[in-house]
Amino acid sequence: KAGVTQTPRYLIKTRGQQVTLSCSPISGHRSVSWYQQTPGQGLQFLFEYFSETQRNKGNFPGRFSGRQFSNSRSEMNVSTLELGDSALYLCASSGGDSYTSDTQYFGPGTRLTVL
Amino acid sequence: AQSVSQHNHHVILSEAASLELGCNYSYGGTVNLFWYVQYPGQHLQLLLKYFSGDPLVKGIKGFEAEFIKSKFSFNLRKPSVQWSDTAEYFCAVNERQLTFGSGTQLTVLP
Repeated sequence: KAGVTQTPRYLIKTRGQQVTLSCSPISGHRSVSWYQQTPGQGLQFLFEYFSETQRNKGNFPGRFSGRQFSNSRSEMNVSTLELGDSALYLCASSGGDSYTSDTQYFGPGTRLTVL
Repeated sequence: AQSVSQHNHHVILSEAASLELGCNYSYGGTVNLFWYVQYPGQHLQLLLKYFSGDPLVKGIKGFEAEFIKSKFSFNLRKPSVQWSDTAEYFCAVNERQLTFGSGTQLTVLP
C-alpha cells in the first residue's frame, strides 16, 4: 500500500498570506489528523477529521482550519500567516474506527516557512 | 489533559551500548502507548505500540518497550545500539488524540 502523501513538501510564504496544505491518506483509512512540529513546542495536535467531519480539535487559533473530502483526502488551511507558523506540518492517517486503539501512520510533512 | 514526559533530551552512546529511554505519562485511565522514530530527513515511523496484554512489547529493529502501569511508564530499550539508530525518538499516548513527549535525540557514535 502506498503511504501517506503530503503536498507540497516545501512552501515559502510571507506574513499575512494564507496557505493550503494537502494530505492523501493510506487507501482505506478514514481518519486524518494534522500536527504541527516545531523545535520549541514539539509535536502538537491540530485537528482530526473522520468521514468528512471534524472529530477532535487541539488548542490552535481559528486561523487554522481543515476539511476532509468524501475520498478521505484532507486539506489544512492557515489564514493570515504569522512568523510563528513556520513549522513542519504533519498529516497522519488511521482506520478511524476507534479513537484510542488506532495506529496513526505519518506522511513526510510540509515544511512551511513564513517570511 | 494527558501529558507525556521524556526525561532525556539528548543521549549519546557508542555502538554496542545498551539503550533505555524513559517515558512517563499522566493519564490514569486506559491508554494506548506508542514509540515513534524520526530518522534524519525522514518521516515519523512507528517503532512499537502497546494496547493491552503482555506489557513487554517488541517492535522493529530490535527495540522493545515495557509498560509498567503502577509507574505510568513506557520505557524503550535496545540491548545493543547501532550507528544507524541515530534518530529522534518520540513517546506518545493516545486517548482521543496522540499526545507526544518532547522527544529524545539519540546519537550513536561509530
